[in-house]
Amino acid sequence: QKEVEQNSGPLSVPEGAIASLNCTYSDRVSQSFFWYRQYSGKSPELIMSIYSNGDKEDGRFTAQLNKASQYVSLLIRDSQPSDSATYLCAVGTNSGGSNYKLTFGKGTLLTVNP
Amino acid sequence: DTEVTQTPKHLVMGMTNKKSLKCEQHMGHRAMYWYKQKAKKPPELMFVYSYEKLSINESVPSRFSPECPNSSLLNLHLHALQPEDSALYLCASSQVSNVPLHFGNGTRLTVT
Repeated sequence: QKEVEQNSGPLSVPEGAIASLNCTYSDRVSQSFFWYRQYSGKSPELIMSIYSNGDKEDGRFTAQLNKASQYVSLLIRDSQPSDSATYLCAVGTNSGGSNYKLTFGKGTLLTVNP
Repeated sequence: DTEVTQTPKHLVMGMTNKKSLKCEQHMGHRAMYWYKQKAKKPPELMFVYSYEKLSINESVPSRFSPECPNSSLLNLHLHALQPEDSALYLCASSQVSNVPLHFGNGTRLTVT
């Protein structure tokens, strides 16, 4: 069973602080990694993709990938109340041919306090 | 605005009803997905279609029947559902592999 693990939280940070979200995965052959944001009652929205070891920055968001440790993280700088949502880590696996799917972690609920 | 369109947005059905959920994308993606999401849980994969062929069925009960009429459309036919099937049903599309999925806004299904 391929697993994706996240701390479910809740994680609470003050406005302007850095929020740090973590994720580990069990399938060593996974090649694609994503962070989705999901507001209550809404569908998941892609915020970051990362495929190679190291850091990838996009605005206030930085994704980090360490394949040796099977670890993915997301940093949100200058957190805003509008960042309050559930953050889902997703790992892409391809079991051969066109059998590609994303497996999601349980999500981390982030609350940014004004 | 999402580029994956799902209809209806809300659906209430009885356990003896037959209904269908619809999904449409015009991004040229060749893979389409159905996920089910219960409250405070992550999305769980149900089915994957790749190049209009069913490539993954995650042991979903036969009361859920997927259909992919063409590369832009995906349906989920529902029959004899149970109250525990009440959930948010998410459709997504992507290129075939190693890419993110693009989700529709979902259909909120309630089975009475």
